[in-house]
Amino acid sequence: GAGVSQSPSNKVTEKGKDVELRCDPISGHTALYWYRQSLGQGLEFLIYFQGNSAPDKSGLPSDRFSAERTGGSVSTLTIQRTQQEDSAVYLCASSPSGYSNQPQHFGDGTRLSIL
Amino acid sequence: TQLLEQSPQFLSIQEGENLTVYCNSSSVFSSLQWYRQEPGEGPVLLVTVVTGGEVKKLKRLTFQFGDARKDSSLHITAAQPGDTGLYLCAGSIPGNQFYFGTGTSLTVIP
Repeated sequence: GAGVSQSPSNKVTEKGKDVELRCDPISGHTALYWYRQSLGQGLEFLIYFQGNSAPDKSGLPSDRFSAERTGGSVSTLTIQRTQQEDSAVYLCASSPSGYSNQPQHFGDGTRLSIL
Repeated sequence: TQLLEQSPQFLSIQEGENLTVYCNSSSVFSSLQWYRQEPGEGPVLLVTVVTGGEVKKLKRLTFQFGDARKDSSLHITAAQPGDTGLYLCAGSIPGNQFYFGTGTSLTVIP
């Protein structure tokens, strides 16, 4: 497809389990962002990848959260030992480059529910 | 701490009315973007403003970036039901991290 693809679209899991969320950015986009959104609220920045540079992890809320971007393309966000407060929609966006005047193209998100 | 505050948080108006949404910060941004998000979907970019004092128009939507590049506004003229959605501003700082605002949920009643 031409857009950003995220999977799964919905994930329900029990507290304490690990989860992996996947993001396929638009081909050729060097910048990739992960955000978290609570119901009807703004987006909380989590992590930013730009090309081969070290990622900006300053938004990760705890050491239970980690992310990788393999080969400058697909990215995986991993949450270990999930807690109920991790329930949210996780959004991924990609951009042609890291320049601030360029648009971010978002996927439709993964809705994560922790029981 | 929220870097960008939007107001109002919720807005419900009748079709045909005008409205303004505000995005304010004490920080200076190198650029500011406005997005609209519909339920179950990701945000979609409406506009990017980069110059202090810049005004951009997109049909019935008018966007303004403050002179000091700390704030922005979105004005909608003659709102339509299709304008319903969550409006988000996002400011970029050096290093190209984006900070999103708290969001404004707009409902336009036919």
